[in-house]
Amino acid sequence: ETGVTQSPTHLIKTRGQQVTLRCSSQSGHNTVSWYQQALGQGPQFIFQYYREEENGRGNFPPRFSGLQFPNYSSELNVNALELDDSALYLCASSLKTGSGEKLFFGSGTQLSVL
Amino acid sequence: KQEVTQIPAALSVPEGENLVLNCSFTDSAIYNLQWFRQDPGKGLTSLLLIQSSQREQTSGRLNASLDKSSGRSTLYIAASQPGDSATYLCAVRGEVGANSKLTFGKGITLSVRP
Repeated sequence: ETGVTQSPTHLIKTRGQQVTLRCSSQSGHNTVSWYQQALGQGPQFIFQYYREEENGRGNFPPRFSGLQFPNYSSELNVNALELDDSALYLCASSLKTGSGEKLFFGSGTQLSVL
Repeated sequence: KQEVTQIPAALSVPEGENLVLNCSFTDSAIYNLQWFRQDPGKGLTSLLLIQSSQREQTSGRLNASLDKSSGRSTLYIAASQPGDSATYLCAVRGEVGANSKLTFGKGITLSVRP
C-alpha cells in the first residue's frame, strides 16, 4: 500500500474530448508528479508540482495541464484528446526519508481514446 | 539527455534459479536509482532505492547494486519463485529540487516457470 490513490481506474473517451484524472496522496507528500506509460514502454515524465506550483515539465504539449491542491490532491487535465494519448497515467508523490527522497506510485488510470 | 536501457526485454527462468537483471544509464550525474516492480495493468511498487553515494541495498531475496561511474545497476533475485513474475523497471533520478524527475527504462518482463 503506497498511500497514493488514483481515480478513475479506467476511462474511455473519444478523440477531441477532454479528460480529468485525479490523484490523492498522503499528508506531507508535498511533491506530486505525473507519468504517461504507453503499452510496452517505461513511464514518461509529464510534469511535477511542488507546493501547488509546476516546477518541472517533460516533453508534452500544453494541452496536458495540471493542478495541485493544498490537501495534497492533484489533477491531470488533457484537452483535445488524440488516439496516441491512450496509455496508463501514473501519479507519484514524494516523501523525503532518511535514505533519500522516495517516490510512491498510485495504481494508475488506464485511458483509452477511441 | 539521460537514457536508461534494460536488456533483455524478457526473461524466462525455472523456479529456484538465482538471476540478475541489468540496467545501464548514460549520464552518471544521478541523485538516486530505484528499482520497481509492475504487474500487468497495475502501478509501480518500489523495491529498492540506492542513493548515488551508496553501492548496494538489500531487501529479503533482492539485492540491488550501483556502479555510478560505469553507469550500471543490477538487481539480483535469489531463489526465484513464480510470484516474482512481473515487469521490473529501473529508474534514475536527476538533481534534487526543481526539474528532478525519474527516467525509466522499458523494463524486463520476468517469467518464473514452476
